[in-house]
Amino acid sequence: AQSVTQPDIHITVSEGASLELRCNYSYGATPYLFWYVQSPGQGLQLLLKYFSGDTLVQGIKGFEAEFKRSQSSFNLRKPSVHWSDAAEYFCAVGAQGGGNKLTFGTGTQLKVEL
Amino acid sequence: GAGVSQSPRYKVAKRGQDVALRCDPISGHVSLFWYQQALGQGPEFLTYFQNEAQLDKSGLPSDRFFAERPEGSVSTLKIQRTQQEDSAVYLCASSLNPSSGNTIYFGEGSWLTVV
Repeated sequence: AQSVTQPDIHITVSEGASLELRCNYSYGATPYLFWYVQSPGQGLQLLLKYFSGDTLVQGIKGFEAEFKRSQSSFNLRKPSVHWSDAAEYFCAVGAQGGGNKLTFGTGTQLKVEL
Repeated sequence: GAGVSQSPRYKVAKRGQDVALRCDPISGHVSLFWYQQALGQGPEFLTYFQNEAQLDKSGLPSDRFFAERPEGSVSTLKIQRTQQEDSAVYLCASSLNPSSGNTIYFGEGSWLTVV
C-alpha cells in the first residue's frame, strides 16, 4: 500500500527566507507525486506534480520540488517565502497506471513571520 | 463551470439524520472523486467514478455512505444515520483523465458537523 509521511507538522519561517518542506513516500514502483496547498476554508490547489522525466519539477507561485528515488523523497522548496504563502501544504502519491487514488500526508502548516 | 462546485458549503446535522452532499464537476471531466478530510488531517480517499461507473469505493467507511453519479456528471454523496465521527470536510475533485497526467481539481468542500 502506498503511504506518505510529512515529518514536520508546523514550520515557521521569516518572510524572504528560503523554505523546504519534507515529504517521504512509500510505493512499490515509480509513483505519481503531487504537492497541494490549502488555505483556511478553501479547497486544495495543485502546486506541482511529478509523473516522469526531469526529477526537478517547477510549479506555480515560485515553488519547485525534486524527486529523489534513492531517498523516496519529494521535498518542496521555495527560495524566498512571501507572507501570502502561509497555508497548509499536502504531499500526495498516486499509483501509475491508476493515478486516480491519491494518498495524502497529514500536512505541514506553514507560518510566515513578517 | 469554471471550477468544481460543491453544495452545501456548510451543513449541521443532528445525529441520526441523513445528509446529501452535491458535487458539480468541471464540465467534460470524466473522472470524479470524493475525499474525506477530518480536522487536522490530510484528505482520505472515499470513492472514484469514471463517467457514471463507480470503479472504486474502497474508501467508504461504512455502508451508511453511498455515492452516485447517475448521468456521469453531477455526483451526490449520501450519508445515512449520521454519527459524530462523520464530522469532516467532504471534498469533491474531478479530472479529464488523471492516468494520463491531467490535473485533479478540488472543490472547496462541504463542511459537515454532526451534533
